Order: sequence, then C-alpha cells, then structure tokens
Amino acid sequence: DTAVSQTPKYLVTQMGNDKSIKCEQNLGHDTMYWYKQDSKKFLKIMFSYNNKELIINETVPNRFSPKSPDKAHLNLHINSLELGDSAVYFCASSRLLGGSGKLFFGSGTQLSVL
Amino acid sequence: DAKTTQPNSMESNEEEPVHLPCNHSTISGTDYIHWYRQLPSQGPEYVIHGLTSNVNNRMASLAIAEDRKSSTLILHRATLRDAAVYYCILRDRQGAQKLVFGQGTRLTINP
Repeated sequence: DTAVSQTPKYLVTQMGNDKSIKCEQNLGHDTMYWYKQDSKKFLKIMFSYNNKELIINETVPNRFSPKSPDKAHLNLHINSLELGDSAVYFCASSRLLGGSGKLFFGSGTQLSVL
Repeated sequence: DAKTTQPNSMESNEEEPVHLPCNHSTISGTDYIHWYRQLPSQGPEYVIHGLTSNVNNRMASLAIAEDRKSSTLILHRATLRDAAVYYCILRDRQGAQKLVFGQGTRLTINP
C-alpha cells in the first residue's frame, strides 16, 4: 500500500483553468503538507495542516486553496492557472509537527500549464 | 530558519564509502538535523536524523560534530541506486516548523 498517494501524476492544462490535486495518506498522521518544486529543483513549502487546521501558509497566491476534509486528505485547488504555476507539487505527511517528525512524501504531480 | 550549507555536487565510486558534509553554524540547541534524499523523478525520502549523538540505521550513518555546527552523512557502501540529491535540513524540536530544503548535494555514483 502506498503511504502517501497523489492524483493525478501528470496534469496538463491551459492557462486560466481551475484544477485540483488530491492527496491521501494511510499512515494515521495528523500533519500534512504541500510542497512545490520548480524548474530549478528548489523545494518550497506552501501549506501545512495539523488535524485539519491550517498551520503554515507561506507566501502563496490566494489562487491556491488547500482543503482538508479529514486528517487523511489534503487537496490542493488552483484557480486561474498561470504559466508560472508549472512545477511538480508534492504532498507529504508526518506524525509530529516538528522536531524528530519524519516527513513521508508522495511521488509528486507534474503540472504543466500551456 | 537556521540555514545549512552543502556542496553542490559530489562524485564517488560504487561500493566505496561516501561522506556528505553539511555545515549548520547557526544551529540552535533545539534543532534536529535531518537528512532526506530525492532520487530522480521521485519525492524526497527520509534518510536519517539526529540531535546530538551519532546515529545509525539501515540506510546510513549520521556523524554530528561535538559543537553541532556540522554533520556528515555516511553511506557505507554506495550503490548506483544511491545516486540522488541529498538534503541536510534543520528542524526545531517544538512548534509548527517548516522543513526548509536548501539546494542539496547532487551525488553521482560511478560504476
């Protein structure tokens, strides 16, 4: 069983469209994250949720809206997609918020905006 | 967030040990040292973490300097599958801390 799964793996869409990426973890973790990896391969945190509550919200355009229906899911909805949104998006989860908490990452969603 | 400094790239040969250094001179007393790696076309993968003492697991060893201002990830016998970008990250013991990734070290393993 995959611990952290994201769908879809690839997403190709036109500018201006709205799209969602889904993430589910079956590890029983309380904390989930979204990271963005750009073309230069830098990994940057976007959001973190703990027990369905938003904990970290980095400087991300408000076109990006995370939604956590329950502790096992953290979906990412993106409105009015722009060319600069093209990147690989990784979902992750951890048992602990900080300290020794290990993050488990999904395999990523490659978003291409044309 | 406390910062880490790693070499951009390193190269080693298969079946030889690899020592990946990381400097973190501004580390605080409550920061854990984490290492992750990212294989091509995959998400980051946890490797090891420690606070003050050296740590070993099935993947690697982590040697932490006595002043904690630097650490070294040791792969005892590198294989081709260990070719990846290795990230050294500091994470505070308490609170909602981001796991901030730097540029990492791209490790190339020669057959």
